[in-house]
Amino acid sequence: DIQMTQSPSSLSASVGDRVTITCRASQGIRNYLAWYQQKPGKAPKLLIYGASTLQSGVPSRFSGSGSGTDFTLTISNLQPEDVATYYCQKYNNAVFGPGTKVDLK
Amino acid sequence: EVQLLESGGALIRPGGSLRLSCAASGFTFSNFAMSWVRQAPGRGLEWVSDITGSGDSTYYADSVKGRFTISRDYSKNTLSLHMNSLRGEDTAVYYCARLKFYYTSSGDYHPLGYFDSWGQGTLVTISS
Repeated sequence: DIQMTQSPSSLSASVGDRVTITCRASQGIRNYLAWYQQKPGKAPKLLIYGASTLQSGVPSRFSGSGSGTDFTLTISNLQPEDVATYYCQKYNNAVFGPGTKVDLK
Repeated sequence: EVQLLESGGALIRPGGSLRLSCAASGFTFSNFAMSWVRQAPGRGLEWVSDITGSGDSTYYADSVKGRFTISRDYSKNTLSLHMNSLRGEDTAVYYCARLKFYYTSSGDYHPLGYFDSWGQGTLVTISS
């Protein structure tokens, strides 16, 4: 079975910072990867699919890249409303990464 | 607008049974696979089960296989999860989610992609 890992597990950054979260698959998954944002007490929200395609309505400061086993979610200009936990997910009988919690320094 | 509304969460004793429902609206229900995803308190997201748009194929996580059954009712646009032999580790918020299909690199259609819409969740607590 394919396993998904994420790093770091948590990070603190300042408003305006560039934040990078990494997701790694134990086997190649082409670009069959999505990213989600979850705020406390809320349902997850789709940010990116196909590893790099921004979901409609998601701010352009979010971007995704990667293919195969290594993927990256970047927040280019961190805003207070971006405080959340971020999960990657591989397609097809989904497997989620363990999450990366982002808060403000 | 896509809407998914879960119901049925409750406090149940270990070994008991429960049925969760998810009322879907705002889209053609039969055109999309649907899923249940759960989140234990303070933990990450865990995929539970998928059902294809036609209902002819179902998939389960190993942790629930043989105990949970996913189904869908097209007359009511409702997704269900029947849960039996419940354990403490089944305690979680259960989310209903719509699966978006995708095309593989060879152009093949695949129904089990990513989750583009989520319900608000319903809490299931297993405790004596």
